Amino acid sequence: GAGVSQSPSNKVTEKGKDVELRCDPISGHTALYWYRQRLGQGLEFLIYFQGNSAPDKSGLPSDRFSAERTGESVSTLTIQRTQQEDSAVYLCASKFGPYNEQFFGPGTRLTVL
Amino acid sequence: AQTVTQSQPEMSVQEAETVTLSCTYDTSESDYYLFWYKQPPSRQMILVIRQEAYKQQNATENRFSVNFQKAAKSFSLKISDSQLGDAAMYFCAYRGIQGAQKLVFGQGTRLTINP
Repeated sequence: GAGVSQSPSNKVTEKGKDVELRCDPISGHTALYWYRQRLGQGLEFLIYFQGNSAPDKSGLPSDRFSAERTGESVSTLTIQRTQQEDSAVYLCASKFGPYNEQFFGPGTRLTVL
Repeated sequence: AQTVTQSQPEMSVQEAETVTLSCTYDTSESDYYLFWYKQPPSRQMILVIRQEAYKQQNATENRFSVNFQKAAKSFSLKISDSQLGDAAMYFCAYRGIQGAQKLVFGQGTRLTINP
C-alpha cells in the first residue's frame, strides 16, 4: 500500500488478556517505530527496529510489552496480561533511511476494560 | 534526556487570523531536528514543518512558519490566514541525529478555529 497501515483500528479487551497489534510499514522502509499515546498526551517512544540490527527496546514500559519484526516487513506489538493503564492509541511509523522522516500509520485504539 | 514542553493546552483563533503556538525544549546536543505535527480526529500524524538546528533561517511552508531561537531553545509555530481545516491537535517534536532518532513529543496544543 501507499502508506503505513495498522490493524485492528480499534481493540477492546478485558483486563488480563493478551493483545497483538499489527503494523505494515511502507514497502522498502528499513526503520520502524512504535509509539504510545495516552488520552490527551503526546506520543511516547516504545521500540525501534532498523533492518536486521538488534531493536532499541528502551521505551518499553514493562516486560509485559514485546515486539517483533522480521526483516523489513510487518511488525507486531504484543501486550500480555493487559492492565487498564495500557489503554491508549498505539501508533506505528516507518522511514526509509537515517535522514528521512517518519511516516505514521492511523494507530490502534486499545481499550482495556 | 531531551524534553519538549508545550505550555498552551488549548488555543483558539478567528478564521483568517494569525495564531502562534509555543514550544520549548531541552537538550545538550548541538545538532538536531525540530518538527510540528498536526493530529486531526482521525489520529493520523501529519508533518507540518521541519527545522534543522544548524540552519539559522526559519522554515516556512505556505501559511505555516516557525520562529526558531536556538539559544533560547524555543520553537514556535505561526499559522497565518487560519482556516477551518487547521483545527486539530498540534505537537512539537524533537529528534536527535544519533542512535534510534526517536521523536520526543510535547503534550500538544488543541487549536480551535472560530468561523
